[in-house]
Amino acid sequence: QSALTQPASVSGSPGQSSTISCTGTSSDVGGYNYVSWYQQHPGKAPKLMIYDVSKRPSGVSNRFSGSKSGNTASLTISGLQAEDEADYYCSSYTSTNTPVFGGGTKLTVL
Amino acid sequence: EVQLVQSGAEVKKPGESLKISCKGSGYSFPSYWIGWVRQMPGKGLEWMGIIYPGDSDTRYSPSFQGQVTISADKSISTAYLQWSSLKASDTAMYYCAREPIVGARDWGQGTLVTVSS
Repeated sequence: QSALTQPASVSGSPGQSSTISCTGTSSDVGGYNYVSWYQQHPGKAPKLMIYDVSKRPSGVSNRFSGSKSGNTASLTISGLQAEDEADYYCSSYTSTNTPVFGGGTKLTVL
Repeated sequence: EVQLVQSGAEVKKPGESLKISCKGSGYSFPSYWIGWVRQMPGKGLEWMGIIYPGDSDTRYSPSFQGQVTISADKSISTAYLQWSSLKASDTAMYYCAREPIVGARDWGQGTLVTVSS
């Protein structure tokens, strides 16, 4: 069970959109619709932003959206704001009956 | 309101044992999976394992199998993570989270474990 693959960093200017990819295999991302995304600010606990590939918990801005194609899931943040600068992690259920995280992506808002 | 409250920070020596806790409230504790997450200093999140308190069904991520023990006492709505012999490399922040499979909406505040001689 290897960590899912995410880019180490992405960046974007305020108001623009940014997309973070999360690549796995047919044993995790491609095999289940249990893909979720978390936002983590320094020194804070993670916060759920997307679950079940594309659903948003109540209270999460509709600027955050999720999708999946094959073995790759994506998180798109539109209308970037300074407060979006954080680390983002994807997570997927796996064939070993446990979830696995991606390595994390640092989003910088320029 | 759902809350997960973790036990306080720990400072231990290599070779010592440790058990940290995560107490749930505001929901039916036996009915939801609880997961444990490790975050080493400056590093990413890692799922360690999950437990269903209702029947104590426990599953470990391959990297953590045999390294830690996850348990739960549904009578007091508390999940546990324990080590029998700590190593310096166990130094990390540990989080518990509810519903790790579907998407963990609720997280504990974290327990910082420092292992140093």
